[in-house]
Amino acid sequence: QKEVEQDPGPLSVPEGAIVSLNCTYSNSAFQYFMWYRQYSRKGPELLMYTYSSGNKEDGRFTAQVDKSSKYISLFIRDSQPSDSATYLCAMSASPLGGSEKLVFGKGTKLTVNP
Amino acid sequence: SAVISQKPSRDICQRGTSLTIQCQVDSQVTMMFWYRQQPGQSLTLIATANQGSEATYESGFVIDKFPISRPNLTFSTLTVSNMSPEDSSIYLCSVEVSTGSPLHFGNGTRLTVT
Repeated sequence: QKEVEQDPGPLSVPEGAIVSLNCTYSNSAFQYFMWYRQYSRKGPELLMYTYSSGNKEDGRFTAQVDKSSKYISLFIRDSQPSDSATYLCAMSASPLGGSEKLVFGKGTKLTVNP
Repeated sequence: SAVISQKPSRDICQRGTSLTIQCQVDSQVTMMFWYRQQPGQSLTLIATANQGSEATYESGFVIDKFPISRPNLTFSTLTVSNMSPEDSSIYLCSVEVSTGSPLHFGNGTRLTVT
């Protein structure tokens, strides 16, 4: 079993839809969870950063962590064509620095159709 | 956050040659990392660039193939040596702006080896 599993998609939705992107993980030590957005021919851009379980909201984006199920989600409300990108989940057991490594999912490619 | 400039943005190189990729940050950062991104794969950490000392390489990556320099707190280079077509990939510079903060990425170098 891979440490982090993420459905690669592709996922195609109409403009205005609610999008749910998910990752599962196997390492119960993970406590820090991130979502990155990567546009074509660009580097990953940090979208959301959460610690432990719970929800975090930022505009149209909500990150949700369920540590008991080892499952994290990113919800996008009122999706826009500009949200079309690849979304990467990432996680670590402690704050980065020193020898701590960030473990990434493979990314989900999202297309929002106008 | 930080502005990360990576050069070149893309290159096509011949087998057996070497390419040096530069990463310049607009402010001092605690940590700098080099990642590889291959189609359909998770981001893979190549090494941690240590200021003033030898880089710390991950399993499967060696200094002779991927020499790294970090002469100061804002600049690092990654060299891909004696290239083969298997080295065709996107190479990403990443930084930790302050201890424990999430990673930020440059836009990457798209390398094609023929």
